[in-house]
Amino acid sequence: DAGVIQSPRHEVTEMGQEVTLRCKPISGHNSLFWYRQTMMRGLELLIYFNNNVPIDDSGMPEDRFSAKMPNASFSTLKIQPSEPRDSAVYFCASSWTGRSYEQYFGPGTRLTVT
Amino acid sequence: AQSVAQPEDQVNVAEGNPLTVKCTYSVSGNPYLFWYVQYPNRGLQFLLKYITGDNLVKGSYGFEAEFNKSQTSFHLKKPSALVSDSALYFCAVRDTDSGGYNKLIFGAGTRLAVHP
Repeated sequence: DAGVIQSPRHEVTEMGQEVTLRCKPISGHNSLFWYRQTMMRGLELLIYFNNNVPIDDSGMPEDRFSAKMPNASFSTLKIQPSEPRDSAVYFCASSWTGRSYEQYFGPGTRLTVT
Repeated sequence: AQSVAQPEDQVNVAEGNPLTVKCTYSVSGNPYLFWYVQYPNRGLQFLLKYITGDNLVKGSYGFEAEFNKSQTSFHLKKPSALVSDSALYFCAVRDTDSGGYNKLIFGAGTRLAVHP
């Protein structure tokens, strides 16, 4: 199994630009989670989906952030417009709700907004 | 409110010595507990979990964890530390208020430094 795949691995962009982060969960998993990790705030849950439906987006910091899951094998996290304070590592994780309980994380996307 | 506490920001241990990384939790109902490790510039890797059964759980890389219900603790242990164990360790508990989804509540993390 290839594990959770995230792209790009690194993204450098200028303030005001749109950023799209991508995630492919483990095949067969039905839950997907987006996290953000910073030194100051640690690991934060942004949003999670079950069977492609958003369940809880209360962790999304602002309306500038949006996430979609059009099918079981793909999700995006979009920031528009981006700001320097959005600089962080963004992780995607997937899980098999109803069969096991642990989440499996992707390698992350390191976002730098200048 | 459900929560996970990792009381130590950093743990230092000499190579070959036993190590313990502490975790306590607060959750309604039966706890489902997890440990993850994060190496530099990597994602979190699942180490082990406690769902039910034996209080001593064995996981990857020689790690084990002991579930203690009366003390609401789930400490991570290893009998003999390696320099390569140096990493950031996260304890997590399944959020039982999340409606059956596998939402996890993570602790703040403990940095383990193993010195030669």
